[in-house]
Amino acid sequence: GAVVSQHPSRVICKSGTSVKIECRSLDFQATTMFWYRQFPKQSLMLMATSNEGSKATYEQGVEKDKFLINHASLTLSTLTVTSAHPEDSSFYICSAGEDSNTEAFFGQGTRLTVV
Amino acid sequence: GQNIDQPTEMTATEGAIVQINCTYQTSGFNGLFWYQQHAGEAPTFLSYNVLDGLEEKGRFSSFLSRSKGYSYLPLKELQMKDSASYLCAVKRERYSTLTFGKGTMLLVSP
Repeated sequence: GAVVSQHPSRVICKSGTSVKIECRSLDFQATTMFWYRQFPKQSLMLMATSNEGSKATYEQGVEKDKFLINHASLTLSTLTVTSAHPEDSSFYICSAGEDSNTEAFFGQGTRLTVV
Repeated sequence: GQNIDQPTEMTATEGAIVQINCTYQTSGFNGLFWYQQHAGEAPTFLSYNVLDGLEEKGRFSSFLSRSKGYSYLPLKELQMKDSASYLCAVKRERYSTLTFGKGTMLLVSP
């Protein structure tokens, strides 16, 4: 099946710094990728939809200036958490599918810890 | 909006059979997905239904009734490694995104 690679798997950063997370589709082109956040024992919550060549669509309550999304190519989307704070500590997961009618494949996830 | 309900936790013993249920309310239904997620890992795809009935896919089958807004995931011959969270997710027409339920934590004991 399709493979989505996410990097890094774990990151610890200081409060106030920025962290970039990459999501790559390895064997298919993804015009759309999705970014989720998952707090402990909670479900996956969609943060934003990343569209290649255009602006991302953010879910209600997600600050677009804090969570910067860039989808510059058909195989790469990045999520940058700017001015990170401890409350941003979470498990961030990206997903992509080959088209809108198939299952989404998930990256390995990134465990972000802000200290 | 959408509403997806799953039991929070289930327990079972090795070799047993369980059924994880999912009920949903949504407009423009376009498919229901089941994922397995182990702690600290990303979800992995298990099964998908868009038509009524049982979709058999190796060890992981899933059933859907669109009229009842109901799906279930039967798990047979449980193994310890099946201890995980099972997520039900719904896709709406004309949207590529999935909306996830809160997941059912299944604990398999010896």
